[in-house]
Parts: sequence; structure tokens; C-alpha cells
Amino acid sequence: KQEVTQIPAALSVPEGENLVLNCSFTDSAIYNLQWFRQDPGKGLTSLLLIQSSQREQTSGRLNASLDKSSGRSTLYIAASQPGDSATYLCAPSTDSWGKLQFGAGTQVVVTP
Amino acid sequence: NAGVMQNPRHLVRRRGQEARLRCSPMKGHSHVYWYRQLPEEGLKFMVYLQKENIIDESGMPKERFSAEFPKEGPSILRIQQVVRGDSAAYFCASSPPERGEQFFGPGTRLTVL
Repeated sequence: KQEVTQIPAALSVPEGENLVLNCSFTDSAIYNLQWFRQDPGKGLTSLLLIQSSQREQTSGRLNASLDKSSGRSTLYIAASQPGDSATYLCAPSTDSWGKLQFGAGTQVVVTP
Repeated sequence: NAGVMQNPRHLVRRRGQEARLRCSPMKGHSHVYWYRQLPEEGLKFMVYLQKENIIDESGMPKERFSAEFPKEGPSILRIQQVVRGDSAAYFCASSPPERGEQFFGPGTRLTVL
């Protein structure tokens, strides 16, 4: 059974600092991994999708790396802004048809 | 291209009533997934459907819960005889025929009194 752990559970940084969010998973036989953000009381917004064959994926200020063999992914957010405040969720999929297994998330607060 | 739509956004039911949650996937998407987020818990997979087929319902409680994705119309998650423990946020996601990235709806927040 896949176990997904996200560290730290919470993070508070001043505006402008870079963010590093860690995700580890126990079953390395994944097909892909998605990073999401969730704002309070809202749905999930997809940030990045990394296929199992990829080492990293970038979108704007976001960069996600994947080390499948060691069961780890890291999300980097450059030059953080108050609007980046949210909970960030990591979700690998070990099924070919895409069932996602979620970590508990990292709650991020970026202070002005 | 409108995103994944869910309705209602909020639903209040008394114990023993039925709850029907609807999900319209993004245009061109043929895969629908339902997830549940219990208070203070993470998101958990419930069921995966394609048009007229349930592919994986391994996360669905064995009783009172059912899901469908008919040829025409939205996907429906149905909860019969609701209990207080069913109070949660229910999210629907869809993905294109080649699968891959999942896009989530805003969720339905069910409160059972």
C-alpha cells in the first residue's frame, strides 16, 4: 500500500524567499506524480504533472523534481509571494489508469 | 473550456436522507474520479469511472454508496441513508482519454445533521 509523507507539515516564510516542499512515497513503481495547491474551502488546482520517465518539470516559478528510485519528489517555488499561501499536496499514482494517493500536505504561509 | 463542474456546492441532509452529488467533467474528458476529504484528514480515492462503466470502486464504502457515469449527463455519486460520518468534502476530477493529468472540481461540501 502506498504511503505518502510530506515534510514539513507547515512552513512560514517572508515574501521573496524560496520554498522547498518535500514528498516521499513508499512504492516507487509509480506512473506519474502530480502536485496541487488547495486554498481553504476550495478545490484543488493542478500545478505540475511529472511522468515516471521524467526527472523534473517546470512551470514559471515552480519546479518539481522526481527521484523515482528513492521515492522522493521536491517542489521548489522561487521568490515566494503572499498569493502562494495555500496547502500544497503531492499525489503519486501507482495505477496505470491514474488513481491518486495523497499526502497530508504542507501548509504554506508567505508573509508580506 | 469550462473546468470540472460540481453541484451542489453545499448540501445539507438529515440522517437517513439521500444525497446526490453531480459532476460534469471537462469537455473531451472521458475519465471521472471521485475523492473524499473527511474533516482533518487527507483526500482519499473512492471510485474511477468511464462512460457507463465502473472501473475501480476499491475506495467506496461497501454499503450505501454508489456511483454512475451514464452515456449522457453528469456523473452521480449517491449516498443513501446518510449518517453524520458522511459529512465531508467530495471532489470530482476528470482526465482526458489518454489519462495523465487530473483536473479537480470545486467540491461538494456535505453536512449531515
